[in-house]
Amino acid sequence: NAGVMQNPRHLVRRRGQEARLRCSPMKGHSHVYWYRQLPEEGLKFMVYLQKENIIDESGMPKERFSAEFPKEGPSILRIQQVVRGDSAAYFCASSPETGDGNQPQHFGDGTRLSIL
Amino acid sequence: GENVEQHPSTLSVQEGDSAVIKCTYSDSASNYFPWYKQELGKRPQLIIDIRSNVGEKKDQRIAVTLNKTAKHFSLHITETQPEDSAVYFCAASIKRQLTFGSGTQLTVLP
Repeated sequence: NAGVMQNPRHLVRRRGQEARLRCSPMKGHSHVYWYRQLPEEGLKFMVYLQKENIIDESGMPKERFSAEFPKEGPSILRIQQVVRGDSAAYFCASSPETGDGNQPQHFGDGTRLSIL
Repeated sequence: GENVEQHPSTLSVQEGDSAVIKCTYSDSASNYFPWYKQELGKRPQLIIDIRSNVGEKKDQRIAVTLNKTAKHFSLHITETQPEDSAVYFCAASIKRQLTFGSGTQLTVLP
């Protein structure tokens, strides 16, 4: 059973370009979460999605950031007009569908985004 | 929103000794508390979790305790080994949103 798959592992962009980060959840998981980790810091929640729905985007910056989880294909985190402060590791996690919401979130290997 | 504080930020122990990491949370609605281990450049790996209806859980050398009244929970690692060296993060969950502590760098000295 493949784990959470993220790509690319490393992404370099110049200021003003767009960054697209992809995440395929574990088989059987219908919930996807995106987190951002700055160097030597903890992970910060960004957004929680189910197929075709954004459930909670309270951690997303108001501008330039968007996320989707289409019916077919991976979840995408999109950052437009990147700035140096966007440099970070972006982790995706997934969890199965349950009733109480208390299910483990399993993380992918992350995408290290570097802005030149 | 939820706030999670984690202590200590760094911890060095001799191989074979025990390590304890403590976290407090602010929102009494939090009901799920996982612990993750992260090695340098790697993904966070879930090592143990506890739900709010349980006070203690153990898995081999790792145990977690939860005090809902005081809103704190702790990770205990016994008989530490060099491969336990990593950064450990606690987290608290409300409605599937994990709020992480700032991490503890654990170093196990051979």
